[in-house]
Amino acid sequence: DGGITQSPKYLFRKEGQNVTLSCEQNLNHDAMYWYRQDPGQGLRLIYYSQIVNDFQKGDIAEGYSVSREKKESFPLTVTSAQKNPTAFYLCASGDRLYTQYFGPGTRLTVL
Amino acid sequence: RKEVEQDPGPFNVPEGATVAFNCTYSNSASQSFFWYRQDCRKEPKLLMSVYSSGNEDGRFTAQLNRASQYISLLIRDSKLSDSATYLCVVQGDTGSARQLTFGSGTQLTVLP
Repeated sequence: DGGITQSPKYLFRKEGQNVTLSCEQNLNHDAMYWYRQDPGQGLRLIYYSQIVNDFQKGDIAEGYSVSREKKESFPLTVTSAQKNPTAFYLCASGDRLYTQYFGPGTRLTVL
Repeated sequence: RKEVEQDPGPFNVPEGATVAFNCTYSNSASQSFFWYRQDCRKEPKLLMSVYSSGNEDGRFTAQLNRASQYISLLIRDSKLSDSATYLCVVQGDTGSARQLTFGSGTQLTVLP
């Protein structure tokens, strides 16, 4: 089946730890995105990538890093520099008309 | 002023009712418009794109008013399964892969 997968579904992080969230898509989309959603708020863009080996910061990139070594994969690392990382993280890929399709998300909690 | 504004609700309506949501946007250069649906603790799912001429998909009708910079979503004959949060999404300039701006969502509960 075509789609976007994210793993893990739930993730717990201790203070000072880096953690990596996985995002994979088999829709053959060039563009991929990472968003963060906090309760009662809209999605905020962390990073995006329009093509392999290239990515740009979004509105709230501080404390996060990404890589885009393959078209299908766009992992997000939440570093210890991110002071308030507890949130729902959503990965999306975008078609040529810029319509975005989302993965099921990862809920990150800091212990 | 927020770039995309929605009434957060909640809207509580009985089954079979008609309900309408509005969304305003601040960037007059916005090119594309969408409604997404998000169930509790799930990812947003595309409900429909919004075209200048308006468009309809079954019980759902979307309208765009560029002059007043708002879009609307009308749901007729509401079902219990329509209960969700509806996100208004606006895309900025064409040619940019990134400029989607999401509203905070309008919560709808359809009551039996």
